[in-house]
Amino acid sequence: DAGVTQSPTHLIKTRGQHVTLRCSPISGHKSVSWYQQVLGQGPQFIFQYYEKEERGRGNFPDRFSARQFPNYSSELNVNALLLGDSALYLCASSWTADQPQHFGDGTRLSIL
Amino acid sequence: QQQVKQSPQSLIVQKGGIPIINCAYENTAFDYFPWYQQFPGKGPALLIAIRPDVSEKKEGRFTISFNKSAKQFSLHIMDSQPGDSATYFCAASNTASKLTFGTGTRLQVTL
Repeated sequence: DAGVTQSPTHLIKTRGQHVTLRCSPISGHKSVSWYQQVLGQGPQFIFQYYEKEERGRGNFPDRFSARQFPNYSSELNVNALLLGDSALYLCASSWTADQPQHFGDGTRLSIL
Repeated sequence: QQQVKQSPQSLIVQKGGIPIINCAYENTAFDYFPWYQQFPGKGPALLIAIRPDVSEKKEGRFTISFNKSAKQFSLHIMDSQPGDSATYFCAASNTASKLTFGTGTRLQVTL
């Protein structure tokens, strides 16, 4: 069975641009969460969605937004990119909102 | 406070040794404590998790010890192998999602 898949794997943007990252959960999983992992640090929680509704939001500015589609896939959008947004963006899925999470391999975002 | 403090930052052990990684948390509402293993270029993979109603949980060569009164938990890796060389993260949550991660421990197992 396929795990969590994320696209693209790598992305280079410049300051001020916006970006859309995509995530497909494990088949049957209805919850998707997004995390930001800066080099050398642990992942930081950004958003959780369950059944297309936002279930939680971490301490990130409004430039970050997300949504979940009827097929449970998800998009993370970041506007007005800053150099500090350079990170590995991880998507995790789980059966429900309070079940163990399984991570994809992430999208490496570099801001020039 | 939402922090999870993890130590050591890095660890080198010989093959067959038992590396121990420690974490401490502050939020008493946390009731789910997983450990993740991450290899370079990969996402974190769930290794083992514990809830505070037990003091120890073992899965294969991985053991979590949990001390609720001290708000600490640790990961032991028995009979460590070079293939265990990776970065290990502890995490905590009051559900199994919205995880608060530690800063990671880079483990190197030498021959």
